[in-house]
Amino acid sequence: NAGVTQTPKFRILKIGQSMTLQCAQDMNHNYMYWYRQDPGMGLKLIYYSVGAGITDKGEVPNGYNVSRSTTEDFPLRLELAAPSQTSVYFCASSSPGQGGRKGNQPQHFGDGTRLSIL
Amino acid sequence: AQSVTQLGSHVSVSEGALVLLRCNYSSSVPPYLFWYVQYPNQGLQLLLKYTSAATLVKGINGFEAEFKKSETSFHLTKPSAHMSDAAEYFCAVGARRSGGYQKVTFGIGTKLQVIP
Repeated sequence: NAGVTQTPKFRILKIGQSMTLQCAQDMNHNYMYWYRQDPGMGLKLIYYSVGAGITDKGEVPNGYNVSRSTTEDFPLRLELAAPSQTSVYFCASSSPGQGGRKGNQPQHFGDGTRLSIL
Repeated sequence: AQSVTQLGSHVSVSEGALVLLRCNYSSSVPPYLFWYVQYPNQGLQLLLKYTSAATLVKGINGFEAEFKKSETSFHLTKPSAHMSDAAEYFCAVGARRSGGYQKVTFGIGTKLQVIP
């Protein structure tokens, strides 16, 4: 019963380097999300996807890219790492729900990737 | 548009005392409301959600929340705090947008400290 799996758990990058944060879910959820969490700031949505091949920007997309080639996977790409991208990144997934209560479904979160850019 | 305000970024209670974490929301449509808990070095876990079936919602670990439309509030309570309740708690409001996508806005979180 893996749920949402994020890799790596920790990473240190140098300024200008690139990397991909991996996210996989085994619950057959259509919706997937990437958030960043900074102290005292709550969670900010970076990108989301409503299904394979469909992605859209959230509140803070600059400096990031995503793709969704399968239902299970939703990787987040940092092309040119900057110190402002030091954060904890969370991937989440949810089902769309059914009937009149579509959208009233909780999100399931991974354990996060702690990223430092020096 | 929707927003969430959590009053108090840090709350301290004694073990065995009442826990009250405050959440007020703003939403232009009937909201979906959630409380999540985050333990150190973990992701968020659902505590409870408001489904409109009942205004008093019971969740896991003895927590409950009451939806008060007139006050636009969804405060989280637990009658007796346990040391294991020490964590960060997030209130969230959701609203359905076109295409069925669930836009969720999270509060900034409240860290609960339980004093022995």
